[in-house]
Amino acid sequence: EVQLLESGGGLVQPGGSLRLSCAASGFTFSTYAMSWVRQAPGKGLEWVSGISGSGGNTYYAVSVKGRFIISRDNSKNTLYLQMNSLRAEDTAVYYCAKGVTPQFYDTSGYYSLNFDCWGQGTLVTVSS
Amino acid sequence: QSVLTQPPSVSAAPGQKVTISCSGITSNIGNNYVSWYQQLPGTAPKLLIYDNYKRPSGIPDRFSGSKSGTSATLGITGLQTGDEADYYCATWDSSLSAWGVFGGGTKLTVL
Repeated sequence: EVQLLESGGGLVQPGGSLRLSCAASGFTFSTYAMSWVRQAPGKGLEWVSGISGSGGNTYYAVSVKGRFIISRDNSKNTLYLQMNSLRAEDTAVYYCAKGVTPQFYDTSGYYSLNFDCWGQGTLVTVSS
Repeated sequence: QSVLTQPPSVSAAPGQKVTISCSGITSNIGNNYVSWYQQLPGTAPKLLIYDNYKRPSGIPDRFSGSKSGTSATLGITGLQTGDEADYYCATWDSSLSAWGVFGGGTKLTVL
């Protein structure tokens, strides 16, 4: 059974840092792109960052570029999100999501945001 | 404000059909595939439609997707009370750089 388990959320002060982890099981982790998607309280979904299966390609939303770093350790089947310079507007439930191919684009160069498995989410609260 | 525009809410009676629109521009919907997600209250999203119109295994054919130009549409027939949820379209924007984008979400109420 495919499973994703996020951890590392919590309360942090503005300007602080936090590292989220997502432990994957039930599939060959290195062959799938992964993403982080967040949802602020009562709001919609926001894609945050993505990484290819090999880790060679990384992508970021404009709102987090330069502050967040996505990475993965394929030997540990774990996805990470290092969050720095946190702001109140980063407060959200952060979901780890599994892609369906190694890259986010196909041989034709068309991108897709297909996630066939999601974790349960971890809450990050940025507040003083 | 989301890059992809969805109606905030739609409603219909049980057994009826409803459509949810998702409007974008060339650099996102126009040049990439669209996915649709269903999020039931208090749960993680679930993939309903991928690559514009394909259904993952286990998704009933009551759910359908289509794309034309810079717009996409999710259709749901034979509405059930269990379909009450938030629905999101998603794709990539590949303008200056590439990043993922979601629509603002549509709340479906089954009256």
